[in-house]
Amino acid sequence: TQLLEQSPQFLSIQEGENLTVYCNSSSVFSSLQWYRQEPGEGPVLLVTVVTGGEVKKLKRLTFQFGDARKDSSLHITAAQPGDTGLYLCAGASGGYQKVTFGTGTKLQVIP
Amino acid sequence: NAGVTQTPKFQVLKTGQSMTLQCAQDMNHEYMSWYRQDPGMGLRLIHYSVGAGITDQGEVPNGYNVSRSTTEDFPLRLLSAAPSQTSVYFCASTDRGNTIYFGEGSWLTVV
Repeated sequence: TQLLEQSPQFLSIQEGENLTVYCNSSSVFSSLQWYRQEPGEGPVLLVTVVTGGEVKKLKRLTFQFGDARKDSSLHITAAQPGDTGLYLCAGASGGYQKVTFGTGTKLQVIP
Repeated sequence: NAGVTQTPKFQVLKTGQSMTLQCAQDMNHEYMSWYRQDPGMGLRLIHYSVGAGITDQGEVPNGYNVSRSTTEDFPLRLLSAAPSQTSVYFCASTDRGNTIYFGEGSWLTVV
């Protein structure tokens, strides 16, 4: 069973601060996705990274895929209350059914 | 845009009762799946289907059945509910780019 460990599990920060969430595994993935889930809703895809070392930016969010395609990070610059939610990474290998979700990072941004 | 629709949103069952969670998608995706989400454990795959008439087990299939008679519908049946099945259930469909679209979730409590 492939495992994806996320850290930290919980994060409570003030508006305007920066933060980084990590997603680590001992397994190699063909792609890595990040989802955000708000209370009472299903997760929504933020980004997919497919190449080792790839960096993608989505406004204030920067996503990086590790060179060995075993880990990823999500960096948020100047966090806003609207960034509050549960962030999930998901690694894919070998097709649809081989998607493994991380344990999640619950982020709270205090105004 | 409907996307993935699942019902009911909330349900309370007594131990031993059976029920069906309904799921429908209007995006013509071949791949559909059911996940359960529990605190600290991320999303775990229960069952999945790669097309009408084809289903297979995921990581935690025991106590659940599925069927896929049409591309649109993928119901999840709890055969004899147990307290361990108290969870939040998400139906999802996946496009050819491996983006997963989730429903809004069904909160199930088994007493």
